[in-house]
Amino acid sequence: GAVVSQHPSWVICKSGTSVKIECRSLDFQATTMFWYRQFPKQSLMLMATSNEGSKATYEQGVEKDKFLINHASLTLSTLTVTSAHPEDSSFYICSGLDNMQGYNEQFFGPGTRLTVL
Amino acid sequence: AQSVSQHNHHVILSEAASLELGCNYSYGGTVNLFWYVQYPGQHLQLLLKYFSGDPLVKGIKGFEAEFIKSKFSFNLRKPSVQWSDTAEYFCAVNTNAGKSTFGDGTTLTVKP
Repeated sequence: GAVVSQHPSWVICKSGTSVKIECRSLDFQATTMFWYRQFPKQSLMLMATSNEGSKATYEQGVEKDKFLINHASLTLSTLTVTSAHPEDSSFYICSGLDNMQGYNEQFFGPGTRLTVL
Repeated sequence: AQSVSQHNHHVILSEAASLELGCNYSYGGTVNLFWYVQYPGQHLQLLLKYFSGDPLVKGIKGFEAEFIKSKFSFNLRKPSVQWSDTAEYFCAVNTNAGKSTFGDGTTLTVKP
């Protein structure tokens, strides 16, 4: 299957700082990428849909000014958590959408664990 | 909007026991169905998927799932679990738009 990478795999930052997480599709072009967050022992919650060359679509309740998404190329989407606070500590997972088989299938990255002190 | 319901929050089994995890979804149109596994401290891995064709789908590690359209179900099964199957299991649904909705997950604990 297609491969998606994320960088960094974990990050610790101070409250009030901003953190950027990268999501790359390594062997396919992903016009669409998705960003999820996962709290401990909970399911994945979709935060936003990132479309190459256009603005991201955010799910209800997700602050677009806090979670900035940029999808500047067909293989890279970035999520920037601005002015991070301890409650933003979570596991952030991205996925890329591939349609090479004639149907949409998501391939997930390994996730980024963010800890805000 | 689609939704996914996993009935079992925590399942505890002994090794060699049979497993069935329930998954029901609600959506009126065509869906694609997935089961993912997340081992402790690791990322999501795809177990199996259903897009069309034979409703009985075989995946990795001896898992299989059956799509029953009339029941809006996609239950995961394994005839004999192993200690190494201890993990979190997620059922997910997506439509042709590609956006996936996940169930709340089922924690499987297999006792040696």
